Amino acid sequence: AQSVTQLDSQVPVFEEAPVELRCNYSSSVSVYLFWYVQYPNQGLQLLLKYLSGSTLVESINGFEAEFNKSQTSFHLRKPSVHISDTAEYFCAVSARTQGGKLIFGQGTELSVKP
Amino acid sequence: GAVVSQHPSWVICKSGTSVKIECRSLDFQATTMFWYRQFPKQSLMLMATSNEGSKATYEQGVEKDKFLINHASLTLSTLTVTSAHPEDSSFYICSARGDLYYEQYFGPGTRLTVT
Repeated sequence: AQSVTQLDSQVPVFEEAPVELRCNYSSSVSVYLFWYVQYPNQGLQLLLKYLSGSTLVESINGFEAEFNKSQTSFHLRKPSVHISDTAEYFCAVSARTQGGKLIFGQGTELSVKP
Repeated sequence: GAVVSQHPSWVICKSGTSVKIECRSLDFQATTMFWYRQFPKQSLMLMATSNEGSKATYEQGVEKDKFLINHASLTLSTLTVTSAHPEDSSFYICSARGDLYYEQYFGPGTRLTVT
């Protein structure tokens, strides 16, 4: 079975500051890793994913995440956040052998203040 | 591309009635759809996996007789909450899997309130 732990339930940060949202996972098999973003009363939008290859993956809006196999982590970072980045962020894993079923972490509420 | 819609976006119903929520993949065919439930300020909990033309697979602890899932076509899956009670009030989100089995596209969610 897989599990995901997001270490911070809330992360307040000032605009233009850097941010890191932490995610650790547990799995006995190879997994795919994802970060999703959810704005209030909306569904989830895929932010970025790690499937294989380069351990550093980037999104089009400045976020990046690095897969660290030895530490079983997939932390999300952004060097300079905007007010519009305020949202709930979910880390998720999908075992390569379980038909795409996603297991989500508890979520991290990112609050960007002016 | 890869748009998933849900209808209705919100619904209020009385205790004891049934409510149907639709999930549609608008521009692709989805042999597999997933239904999630999300409580306020909490994560998504997978309820069931819906495969076109076959019975849904429910996660442990989810009442299959209460949450009826039908996936009659490659673009439509429905979730019916039968004999709804206030504790069924929640945000229900569906997702559809595209050609690449590891990718899921999420609908905007349906807010159900049972009074």
